[in-house]
Amino acid sequence: DVVMTQSPLSLPVTLGQPASISCRSSQSLVHSDGNTYLSWFQQRPGQSPRRLFYRVSNRDSGVPDRFSGSGSGTDFTLKISRVEAEDVGVYYCMQGTHWPPWTFGQGTKVEIK
Amino acid sequence: EVQLVESGGGLVQPGGSLRLSCAASGFTFSSQRMHWVRQVPGKGLVWVSHINSDGSGATYADSVKGRFTISRDNAKSNLYLQMNSLRAEDTAVYYCAGGFDNWGQGTLVTVSS
Repeated sequence: DVVMTQSPLSLPVTLGQPASISCRSSQSLVHSDGNTYLSWFQQRPGQSPRRLFYRVSNRDSGVPDRFSGSGSGTDFTLKISRVEAEDVGVYYCMQGTHWPPWTFGQGTKVEIK
Repeated sequence: EVQLVESGGGLVQPGGSLRLSCAASGFTFSSQRMHWVRQVPGKGLVWVSHINSDGSGATYADSVKGRFTISRDNAKSNLYLQMNSLRAEDTAVYYCAGGFDNWGQGTLVTVSS
């Protein structure tokens, strides 16, 4: 199984400041079809997960453009250019290249300092 | 508006069975691969099972293989998860997800005597 490792696991940030979350996979996520199936999810307190990005950097509808996804191969990053209060929650990366199983990172908890 | 509404969770004794349902609306259910994902309260997301759009193929996490069965009724836009031989470690909130871009609100399954 592909292991997804996120860092940091806890991220205190100041409102208006940038934030960055790293996600590394135990093997390359480049599929034989040429796509890289790496997604990012946000889970606000008490809510269901919501997908933010698919195939590394494709933003889902309604996701603010202060969020960006990047990376390739085994190293991926989710960035928030200026953190807002509504961004508090846990963020997960997930690979869908080598399935089954689809595997998630441990989650990164973003909180306001 | 896309909606996924899970039901069927509850308290069950170890060794017991439960059937979860997920009612879908607002999108072409019969064209969408569907998943079950679970989350122990306060912990991370874990993929459980998937079924392809026409129901002809399904996969399972090793932890539930042989005990859980996923199925779907495309005529009714419903997804199911039959859970047998339940264990304490199956206690979690179970989410249905359509292609991971849409998620339900989750249903809590508690396995305890």
